Amino acid sequence: AQSVAQPEDQVNVAEGNPLTVKCTYSVSGNPYLFWYVQYPNRGLQFLLKYITGDNLVKGSYGFEAEFNKSQTSFHLKKPSALVSDSALYFCAVRGLTAGTYKYIFGTGTRLKVLA
Amino acid sequence: SQTIHQWPATLVQPVGSPLSLECTVEGTSNPNLYWYRQAAGRGLQLLFYSVGIGQISSEVPQNLSASRPQDRQFILSSKKLLLSDSGFYLCAWSPDGTGGYGYTFGSGTRLTVV
Repeated sequence: AQSVAQPEDQVNVAEGNPLTVKCTYSVSGNPYLFWYVQYPNRGLQFLLKYITGDNLVKGSYGFEAEFNKSQTSFHLKKPSALVSDSALYFCAVRGLTAGTYKYIFGTGTRLKVLA
Repeated sequence: SQTIHQWPATLVQPVGSPLSLECTVEGTSNPNLYWYRQAAGRGLQLLFYSVGIGQISSEVPQNLSASRPQDRQFILSSKKLLLSDSGFYLCAWSPDGTGGYGYTFGSGTRLTVV
């Protein structure tokens, strides 16, 4: 079965500390993986993606994510958190259903960066 | 550059009234288009997607319908709204159906059915 799991509903981190938002996936074949961020009452914004190549992917706003095939994970990271990073983060994987590719989104993790 | 527009931003409608939400994409042609609903500020539920004019696939049987009358226009409709239709509706597009480019989302419509 194709799925994405974000095991933490909320992550709290102090400003200036490193942050990690976890994501694991289950999909057949090579995964296409994505991270999106959503600010209140806004649409989702693309942060980064992994399709092939280096396991460490760099994206917008200083975020990066590490693809780990053996652990089927794609955790989002940032070396130094900012209060403005507080938002809802979604992991997504490309799934194939009835011959059509669609994204499967996780349930989201709310990141709260404390000043 | 490509842009996606969604309107209205907020909407308060009585139960039983009709609904029409519109989404348009500029700067590209023949995009794949998607309607999502986000309930309680969390998970995303894919409602409809379209790979071309007049081609609509429904993911979840419900009180809503979608139409694509023009290449870059995607409309979400209902004849009679239910309280359970309340939520945050998001339109998105992608260049093709390979899933390799990511989705670009509109800014969303907050629908409250009263």
